[in-house]
Amino acid sequence: DVKVTQSSRYLVKRTGEKVFLECVQDMDHENMFWYRQDPGLGLRLIYFSYDVKMKEKGDIPEGYSVSREKKERFSLILESASTNQTSMYLCASSAPGGRNEQYFGPGTRLTVT
Amino acid sequence: GEDVEQSLFLSVREGDSSVINCTYTDSSSTYLYWYKQEPGAGLQLLTYIFSNMDMKQDQRLTVLLNKKDKHLSLRIADTQTGDSAIYFCAESYNQGGKLIFGQGTELSVKP
Repeated sequence: DVKVTQSSRYLVKRTGEKVFLECVQDMDHENMFWYRQDPGLGLRLIYFSYDVKMKEKGDIPEGYSVSREKKERFSLILESASTNQTSMYLCASSAPGGRNEQYFGPGTRLTVT
Repeated sequence: GEDVEQSLFLSVREGDSSVINCTYTDSSSTYLYWYKQEPGAGLQLLTYIFSNMDMKQDQRLTVLLNKKDKHLSLRIADTQTGDSAIYFCAESYNQGGKLIFGQGTELSVKP
């Protein structure tokens, strides 16, 4: 069974803290994605990666960075968390070509106080 | 830029049919998708349709694609309380692997 896991389901951090969100997939997928989900706004793409050590900015990269040192792992980093980064964060992966179907993790609900 | 639009809420009675609508802008999309998100969970692919198809049926689900109007719909027959969820429409973007998602439609099924 395909699986995308995220390191935490719930996380509470203080303003200014550095936050790491980890995502691991076991499907040997080249493509990995980080989204944030906010009510009424749907999913917005933060960063994505087509291969190890590669990264591309999505639609809302400001305030975020990513790391992909291994194919199965894609990390989202909030260098200095702010309250407007309180959100649900979703990781996804896909194989190139074909249907481009993305497989999602369960999400991390981050609250920044 | 590319955009996908959905209404935010839909309420139906158990046993009725639900129709969730979506409009998109990128006419070059190869695939269009419907994802389901249950409370507290990630998104799960429900069904998809290839852009050269007009209709796809899968058990209680029927997907209709009108390419001229760039309109996609998902019909759920005999809607059950377990169908209560948020449904996202998405289109494939020309850069391999990227999907553009709509805002999501929250379906509420009342007994």
